[in-house]
Order: sequence, then C-alpha cells, then structure tokens
Amino acid sequence: GAVVSQHPSWVICKSGTSVKIECRSLDFQATTMFWYRQFPKQSLMLMATSNEGSKATYEQGVEKDKFLINHASLTLSTLTVTSAHPEDSSFYICSARRGLAGGGYEQYFGPGTRLTVT
Amino acid sequence: AQSVAQPEDQVNVAEGNPLTVKCTYSVSGNPYLFWYVQYPNRGLQFLLKYITGDNLVKGSYGFEAEFNKSQTSFHLKKPSALVSDSALYFCAVRSQGGGGFKTIFGAGTRLFVKA
Repeated sequence: GAVVSQHPSWVICKSGTSVKIECRSLDFQATTMFWYRQFPKQSLMLMATSNEGSKATYEQGVEKDKFLINHASLTLSTLTVTSAHPEDSSFYICSARRGLAGGGYEQYFGPGTRLTVT
Repeated sequence: AQSVAQPEDQVNVAEGNPLTVKCTYSVSGNPYLFWYVQYPNRGLQFLLKYITGDNLVKGSYGFEAEFNKSQTSFHLKKPSALVSDSALYFCAVRSQGGGGFKTIFGAGTRLFVKA
C-alpha cells in the first residue's frame, strides 16, 4: 500500500528557533499534500493544502508567515515552523493524495511529528 | 460560526451488532463532510467523504455515513461491527467563509467493539 513518511518523528527546539518537518510519499507521486495539527485534546485542524509547484493554500486563521510550506517535488512537502514558541508545541501530521486510475483519489497519512518548543 | 460536534466520547458495541458514531455540524453554506479513523499505534486514515449527490456515502472497511441536511448530521454507521473496528474516529467539516476555506475536526469518538 501507499506509504507516507515524516521526518523527524519528534523534535525539541528552543523558543525563537525554526524547525523544518519533512513529508514524503515513498511509493507514489502526490500533487497535493495536506498539513494538519493535532491538539492535546485530540482535535485536529487542517492547516494548509500544499500543491506541487505552487503556493500553499492556507486555511482560515492559519498564519502563513509562521508556518511556511514548500512542495518542491511530487514526493516531498516541508513545513517550517518559524520563530517557534511553546504554544506551537503540537503533533503535526501530513497526508498525501494519490489519484486513482478510475477517477477520484485516496488520501494517506504520515505517522506524525511531535514538536516540543522549550 | 463553523463547528462540528461528536457528542459521544466513547461508544461501546458488541461484535456483530450495528454501530453508529454520531456527528453533527454547524456551518453557513454547503458543507463538505469527512470521516477519518485512527487505529492504535497507526496513523490517521481517510474513511469517506460527502461533497454532493447521494446522501448515503459508502467508504472503506464497510463503513457508510448518511448526510442529513435537516438535522445537520453525518453519522457514521456499519451494519455489523468487528473487534478490529476498535479505534478513534474523527468527523470533519469543511466550508467556505469570508476568509476562505476552513476545516474543523470533531474531538473524536473512541469505539470499543467487544468480542
């Protein structure tokens, strides 16, 4: 089956620094990838939709300059949390969408990245 | 304001019995509705979605959901539960507001299926 990986699986950084999270589709090409954030009480939030070769589309209320998304190739999207603060600590999940031959698509999720900002 | 509610933190059902995981929403305009599942020690998986058309949507693993506009609900159902269905289920709603699209997830419902 299709596999989506994330790196790193967990990261600790100091307040004010930036951290980059990678999302890769390992065995398929994904023109569209999504970034989610999972809050401590389990609720998920879609942050942005990442399209290969173009600017990401951010959901309402998500700071574009804070969460930089780059989708440079059909298998890689990155999320950079700039000038991280403790309130950015969260579980970040990416997913990749694969088109199906008969139409429609399937969506596959990565295992997530735990970010802790101290 | 846009919102989605999963009124039950936990649902318990016996194997072989039908199951229902509830979801209600509040949006302005036409919603896109989704169900996702998170199995223990595994990542999130997409189950099904409603965009338009037939109110009854069939998805993965034998699950289905019915869009009910008058009741603003999108309950997830399965005719016969399996122990392997035990997992955390999330409902999500996506709609367009003044500032663009926004997708909100419910808090999740944990399903326990007993053998």
